[in-house]
Amino acid sequence: AQRVTQPEKLLSVFKGAPVELKCNYSYSGSPELFWYVQYSRQRLQLLLRHISRESIKGFTADLNKGETSFHLKKPFAQEEDSAMYYCALNQFYFGTGTSLTVIP
Amino acid sequence: GAGVSQTPSNKVTEKGKYVELRCDPISGHTALYWYRQSLGQGPEFLIYFQGTGAADDSGLPNDRFFAVRPEGSVSTLKIQRTERGDSAVYLCASSELGYRADTQYFGPGTRLTVL
Repeated sequence: AQRVTQPEKLLSVFKGAPVELKCNYSYSGSPELFWYVQYSRQRLQLLLRHISRESIKGFTADLNKGETSFHLKKPFAQEEDSAMYYCALNQFYFGTGTSLTVIP
Repeated sequence: GAGVSQTPSNKVTEKGKYVELRCDPISGHTALYWYRQSLGQGPEFLIYFQGTGAADDSGLPNDRFFAVRPEGSVSTLKIQRTERGDSAVYLCASSELGYRADTQYFGPGTRLTVL
């Protein structure tokens, strides 16, 4: 079965501190992985996808097939990063999300 | 250009009634997806269209749920004999080609409340 696990429902960090949002997946084949973000009163939108290997708004995510993980990282959190973050696998499978709060 | 739109934004209905939720995808996108999101959960896949046909409807919870996309653009999600457990936000998304690696563009959702 294909599954995404985001172990943290809530995460708070101080502005300027590093942040890591965890994502683990279950899939026997070669996965396509995404991070989507939902800012307050906005629709869900793509943040980044592993196939592009790009950094968006200072966020990066590395696929680790050995650990079946795709953690999202940013070295210095900003207040505008406060949002709901969802990890997604192979188009259809979303995690339960992590609500990130950056404390000023 | 215009993004994905969904109507209505809110729908309140009574248990046992029939409802239709509409999705207008981005023009030219061949793939369209429906998800259901309950409070505190992530989007839960319902059905995926490639053009006019349902390429994967494995997420539809039971035969009360049905969706169509007759001309390959607008889609309607239909729920018969609604139950209180159907209350959720119903999200629609579209993507250009429908490949596994495609970016999905989401609509604002329809909040369905079944009393």
